[in-house]
Amino acid sequence: GAVVSQHPSWVICKSGTSVKIECRSLDFQATTMFWYRQFPKQSLMLMATSNEGSKATYEQGVEKDKFLINHASLTLSTLTVTSAHPEDSSFYICSATPRGRGRETQYFGPGTRLLVL
Amino acid sequence: EDQVTQSPEALRLQEGESSSLNCSYTVSGLRGLFWYRQDPGKGPEFLFTLYSAGEEKEKERLKATLTKKESFLHITAPKPEDSATYLCAVQADSNDYKLSFGAGTTVTVRA
Repeated sequence: GAVVSQHPSWVICKSGTSVKIECRSLDFQATTMFWYRQFPKQSLMLMATSNEGSKATYEQGVEKDKFLINHASLTLSTLTVTSAHPEDSSFYICSATPRGRGRETQYFGPGTRLLVL
Repeated sequence: EDQVTQSPEALRLQEGESSSLNCSYTVSGLRGLFWYRQDPGKGPEFLFTLYSAGEEKEKERLKATLTKKESFLHITAPKPEDSATYLCAVQADSNDYKLSFGAGTTVTVRA
């Protein structure tokens, strides 16, 4: 149980284009979904928190207009990197917390590696 | 601000050589301390949640313990498949359920 998937697993795009990453909770309904970014040999940095049906809350220093988050249902959240540039190249990971008991535990997706040329 | 410090940064073990990883933390009211395992190029895999000082949890060769200031992850008789980066994270007793992660300990177990 508590499986989270991400799609795509990796993507290469040209500078200036937009990329959408999907995060799905496969066997549970997620109260909250989180988006992280991880650079090589570094730990996870929280980008934003999203709750179904409401606007995402972004961490300090994260541009809302660049990283668009949509949490359309209790099992799906999307992150769109708009007008991507090489410095946006990173490993993007989502997590989800289940509704009800045990909602403090985050279950992570497998990650999406983004390379912007 | 919540702070999590993990040590050592890297640990090289011989198969069967038991050892411990440390996670020191400061948080304004702890809801939970979490241990995750991360393999290269993968997302973190949930291992344990500890809620209060004195609590212990075990899973196969791993045992996590918690005090008011730190947590230990003990690896007993490790095997090469235990090689991974182990991440510690804390969650404060607030409404937002955010996790603050440490930098991780990379464990390499040689056969």
